[in-house]
Amino acid sequence: QVQLVQSGAEVKKPGASVKVSCKASGYTFTSYGISWVRQAPGQGLEWMGWISAYNGNTNYAQKLQGRVTMTTDTSTSTAYMELRSLRSDDTAVYYCARDGDYAPNDYWGQGTLVTVSS
Amino acid sequence: EIVLTQSPATLSLSPGERATLSCRASQSVSSYLAWYQQKPGQAPRLLIYDASNRATGIPARFSGSGSGTDFTLTISSLEPEDFAVYYCQQRSNWPQCTFGGGTKVEIK
Repeated sequence: QVQLVQSGAEVKKPGASVKVSCKASGYTFTSYGISWVRQAPGQGLEWMGWISAYNGNTNYAQKLQGRVTMTTDTSTSTAYMELRSLRSDDTAVYYCARDGDYAPNDYWGQGTLVTVSS
Repeated sequence: EIVLTQSPATLSLSPGERATLSCRASQSVSSYLAWYQQKPGQAPRLLIYDASNRATGIPARFSGSGSGTDFTLTISSLEPEDFAVYYCQQRSNWPQCTFGGGTKVEIK
């Protein structure tokens, strides 16, 4: 069965960086992309960006350009999302989701809480 | 950027009642519209894709309709487990996407 398992919760200080992992299993990793979506406390869903697991192509939300980097390691079927220069409003649960061409996000990770606080 | 506006923000209904949720796009998204259900502390769950197709394992009481800019998610008879927040998502400019602000379906 398809599973996306994310790394554990993180607490970071403002200005620091965080790197969240998302390990995929149960499907051919390079046949799909991975989208990252975040959700601030009590708020809605915000799309952060996408990476192709096939060739590493990326597409980032404009508001995060320059602060976010998404990568994959095909040898371990793992996707990574790094966010730099963290601010308090980056406090959120971060989700990875499987992503096919124009297809919906049919499988999601369990979420990773990132707390930014001094 | 395509903006999705969901209404109402909150829907107060009783079990057994019919729920009708709306999602309006700022420009046409064709049929690249999906609906998700989210319960507290859980990841979103795909309900409907391509505007009207139920995802695997989704009960028949959930249905989607619409195309272009106006979409509707209908729950024909609310079950206790259906009280949750529902989000629409457009994929017409894949790989980018946007989500609506959500509709909370609460017990009256």
